[in-house]
Amino acid sequence: GAGVSQSPSNKVTEKGKDVELRCDPISGHTALYWYRQSLGQGLEFLIYFQGNSAPDKSGLPSDRFSAERTGGSVSTLTIQRTQQEDSAVYLCASSLGRGPHYEQYFGPGTRLTVT
Amino acid sequence: AQTVTQSQPEMSVQEAETVTLSCTYDTSENNYYLFWYKQPPSRQMILVIRQEAYKQQNATENRFSVNFQKAAKSFSLKISDSQLGDTAMYFCAFATGANSKLTFGKGITLSVRP
Repeated sequence: GAGVSQSPSNKVTEKGKDVELRCDPISGHTALYWYRQSLGQGLEFLIYFQGNSAPDKSGLPSDRFSAERTGGSVSTLTIQRTQQEDSAVYLCASSLGRGPHYEQYFGPGTRLTVT
Repeated sequence: AQTVTQSQPEMSVQEAETVTLSCTYDTSENNYYLFWYKQPPSRQMILVIRQEAYKQQNATENRFSVNFQKAAKSFSLKISDSQLGDTAMYFCAFATGANSKLTFGKGITLSVRP
């Protein structure tokens, strides 16, 4: 079956512009996660959705970052007024349910470059 | 807060040989899971193996096995009969609680030489 998909695969934007990154989880997966992978910070958690609600937003680095999930499916991560330090690979993962015993399946990521 | 430490930035192994990747972690939790993920150049993270902390028996998946030492908070990955396709970055990760967000180590780049 289809895995987690993310779009775009690569995004180059100018400093100060807003960007939207999309994640399509595996059908039926109720939990969805966003992570960021950068050279300086490694892999770090951003936000977790259970259904359409986000009980854990503790990893969002600033109020320029926001995310939403609609219909218990697609999620969008929005970065406003992008900065060069936002350059990273943004990974999305989904799992069948909540709890670490459910495997997280990752998408291929979106590479964001802020110039 | 939980931390995961991978102190070796890179390793190299000859094809068909065995290699062990190290990982230590710190937590005050009693119930948690540990994972090894593989990330090839395609960027797609793939779960290699996982260990539940309350299980004393070390997990195995074909050529991959772990050495889980709970008291020492150590979780190493052994790859037997290394193959060229094993070349990738490997991340050790930790998860606990209902939200099960993953906390990752910095990763290790493994190269398998022909």
